[in-house]
Amino acid sequence: KQEVTQIPAALSVPEGENLVLNCSFTDSAIYNLQWFRQDPGKGLTSLLLIQSSQREQTSGRLNASLDKSSGRSTLYIAASQPGDSATYLCAVTRLGGGSEKLVFGKGTKLTVNP
Amino acid sequence: GAGVSQTPSNKVTEKGKYVELRCDPISGHTALYWYRQSLGQGPEFLIYFQGTGAADDSGLPNDRFFAVRPEGSVSTLKIQRTERGDSAVYLCASSLKVSASTDTQYFGPGTRLTVL
Repeated sequence: KQEVTQIPAALSVPEGENLVLNCSFTDSAIYNLQWFRQDPGKGLTSLLLIQSSQREQTSGRLNASLDKSSGRSTLYIAASQPGDSATYLCAVTRLGGGSEKLVFGKGTKLTVNP
Repeated sequence: GAGVSQTPSNKVTEKGKYVELRCDPISGHTALYWYRQSLGQGPEFLIYFQGTGAADDSGLPNDRFFAVRPEGSVSTLKIQRTERGDSAVYLCASSLKVSASTDTQYFGPGTRLTVL
């Protein structure tokens, strides 16, 4: 059974700091790994999707890496801003089965202080 | 264009009652997913529709939960004899399902269900 773990559970940083969020998964048979952002009372917004054959993806100040063999991914946020405050969720899509359902971690709650 | 919409945004009911939660996916998206998110947890998969049929319902916790998508667009999640443990945010997502490796699911804002 695929399990996804995110560390830390919560993180508080001053504005402008660079930071790294960690995600690990137990089964390397995945189609892809995605990072989502969740704001209170709102749904999830996809930030980055890394296919299983890729090593990293970048979007603006965000960079996500994937090491499938070790079952790890990191989300790097450069020059953090108060608007980055949210919960960040990591999810993998399992190979096979046909449904491509997402298996999520519990998330990291990020607070960026002005 | 409109995103995924869910109604109601909040639902409070009493233990033992029946509830229906509605999801309107993005137009043209053939795949539709339901997830449940309890406080402090990540979303957990409930059921997946491809078109009108439930292709994977392995996440439904028991037979009190049922979902339909009769015309391949709007879906309704139905919960019978609600229990306090059913309290959670129910999220709906849709996708184009062109390629499994690049498929992105777009999520609605969720319905917060509270069972008293």
